[in-house]
Amino acid sequence: NAGVTQTPKFRVLKTGQSMTLLCAQDMNHEYMYWYRQDPGMGLRLIHYSVGEGTTAKGEVPDGYNVSRLKKQNFLLGLESAAPSQTSVYFCASSWIGTGANEQFFGPGTRLTVL
Amino acid sequence: DQQVKQNSPSLSVQEGRISILNCDYTNSMFDYFLWYKKYPAEGPTFLISISSIKDKNEDGRFTVFLNKSAKHLSLHIVPSQPGDSAVYFCAATRVSDSWGKLQFGAGTQVVVTP
Repeated sequence: NAGVTQTPKFRVLKTGQSMTLLCAQDMNHEYMYWYRQDPGMGLRLIHYSVGEGTTAKGEVPDGYNVSRLKKQNFLLGLESAAPSQTSVYFCASSWIGTGANEQFFGPGTRLTVL
Repeated sequence: DQQVKQNSPSLSVQEGRISILNCDYTNSMFDYFLWYKKYPAEGPTFLISISSIKDKNEDGRFTVFLNKSAKHLSLHIVPSQPGDSAVYFCAATRVSDSWGKLQFGAGTQVVVTP
């Protein structure tokens, strides 16, 4: 039982390049989330999904797209990377989306955009 | 505008003593609060939570106190151990928010010294 895994762990991009971050969970969770963590800002929600085939915008969605084609996977895409997207990205999942439900986090992806 | 604030970016405490971490929130609609712990190069892990119908919740060495009138919560760790050295994030949500979205504070780095 691996929990929540993220690929890749590290990545360096040039401005304008594109990439996809992959999140996978093996807990059969319905809800999945993408956050970014920046110094002094805590974790901010980018996009989330309440089930296979559904996605919704979070607090800071601009410049990102997501897809949830399979229940266990949640992909975060950057179409044209900008230096402002340099951050640590965390994926999380939960069984159901009520506020009282614990979210399980992956180990993170450190992205640098030059 | 950050709705959840952790005003102390760091805290140093001696092993065996009490660690007290503070968190303030501005949104009176929040009714469920969580603390997450994060080690370097790992994702956050759930530590303890409290509903707004309670003013205290205890789990082993960890106790969370909630003061709704002051919109303030605190996490007490007694006694502090070297393994408690980590970043602690406070998070808040509304239980009625069926998507489980969390608002995080900026985190407090705790260092427990021998």
